Amino acid sequence: TQLLEQSPQFLSIQEGENLTVYCNSSSVFSSLQWYRQEPGEGPVLLVTVVTGGEVKKLKRLTFQFGDARKDSSLHITAAQPGDTGLYLCAGARSGGYNKLIFGAGTRLAVHP
Amino acid sequence: SQTIHQWPATLVQPVGSPLSLECTVEGTSNPNLYWYRQAAGRGLQLLFYSVGIGQISSEVPQNLSASRPQDRQFILSSKKLLLSDSGFYLCAWSGGYTEAFFGQGTRLTVV
Repeated sequence: TQLLEQSPQFLSIQEGENLTVYCNSSSVFSSLQWYRQEPGEGPVLLVTVVTGGEVKKLKRLTFQFGDARKDSSLHITAAQPGDTGLYLCAGARSGGYNKLIFGAGTRLAVHP
Repeated sequence: SQTIHQWPATLVQPVGSPLSLECTVEGTSNPNLYWYRQAAGRGLQLLFYSVGIGQISSEVPQNLSASRPQDRQFILSSKKLLLSDSGFYLCAWSGGYTEAFFGQGTRLTVV
């Protein structure tokens, strides 16, 4: 079974701080997605990275896919309370009917 | 635009009772459909996926079953619920590309 390990599991920071969340695997993925989930709701897609070494920016969020397509990171600059939530990474295998393998998530709390 | 509907939002069922959760997708045809379960505050575990009407693949052995009677309808069922079936159930669809889009989820509590 392929696993995606996310770190840290929990992160509690003050508004304005920067943070990085990591998603690592020993397996290669054809693509990797990041989601944010609010309590009691379904995950919402933030970004998909496909090419090794790819970097995508979404306002204050920067996503990077590792060169070998085994890992990814999410960096948030100047975090705000609205960034609070559960961040999930998910990997897709080629030819696998898009059956996503999810990491356990990073729970982020940003305090004003 | 595509939308996914999942209901009910919350459900409390006694042990041994049946279960039926429904999910429908609008605005697309022949989607891949998925049922996931999420433990409290954790990642998602794939339970079933379907690439077409009547085609169901199970990822983990369990007390649940799934059916796809129509192209955009996906149903999760159980004949007799167990306490261990409690959890947050999520339906999702994808168009065969990389992104998956999720419903709002159903919080199932078996008592």
